[in-house]
Amino acid sequence: EAQVTQNPRYLITVTGKKLTVTCSQNMNHEYMSWYRQDPGLGLRQIYYSMNVEVTDKGDVPEGYKVSRKEKRNFPLILESPSPNQTSLYFCASSHRGPTDTQYFGPGTRLTVL
Amino acid sequence: GQNIDQPTEMTATEGAIVQINCTYQTSGFNGLFWYQQHAGEAPTFLSYNVLDGLEEKGRFSSFLSRSKGYSYLLLKELQMKDSASYLCAAPGDFNKFYFGSGTKLNVKP
Repeated sequence: EAQVTQNPRYLITVTGKKLTVTCSQNMNHEYMSWYRQDPGLGLRQIYYSMNVEVTDKGDVPEGYKVSRKEKRNFPLILESPSPNQTSLYFCASSHRGPTDTQYFGPGTRLTVL
Repeated sequence: GQNIDQPTEMTATEGAIVQINCTYQTSGFNGLFWYQQHAGEAPTFLSYNVLDGLEEKGRFSSFLSRSKGYSYLLLKELQMKDSASYLCAAPGDFNKFYFGSGTKLNVKP
């Protein structure tokens, strides 16, 4: 089944404790992206990747890192999480780029205390 | 960057027709998307318009006017399961992607 998976689905952590949210797609998509969703603000792009070893900042990259060592995986890293990073995070992928339909993972609800 | 505006919330009755509007300002235009998001779930694709006009897909249609920076999503024969948020979105410069804040549609019996 074609899908985007994210892990974990739920995470409660404390300020400053490094964490990684994994994202994997099995559709051989080139474009992958991370979004955060907050009430009243909608989905905002954190980072995106056009292909392996090519990553770029979205609108809200501060406090986040990503890597794209393999085509299928696009982990999101929070080196030192802070409470303002408490949010719902979605990973998405599309065939070639942002003009193609994006397929979303199920989301990761992160709480930073 | 991108500026995408849509109403925060709308209410409509089962069986009726509802139109959700979206206005956008872009530095370059690469099409306009609509996604549906049920509460607690991931967004799913509804439509993509690149050219002006109306595209119909079953009970859902999407309209685009590039000259006016305007789009709408038309939902016909509303069903209770259509209660969801509808997200207007567009590609931006340098392969970025932007969403509006979403319109929460409440369908009442």
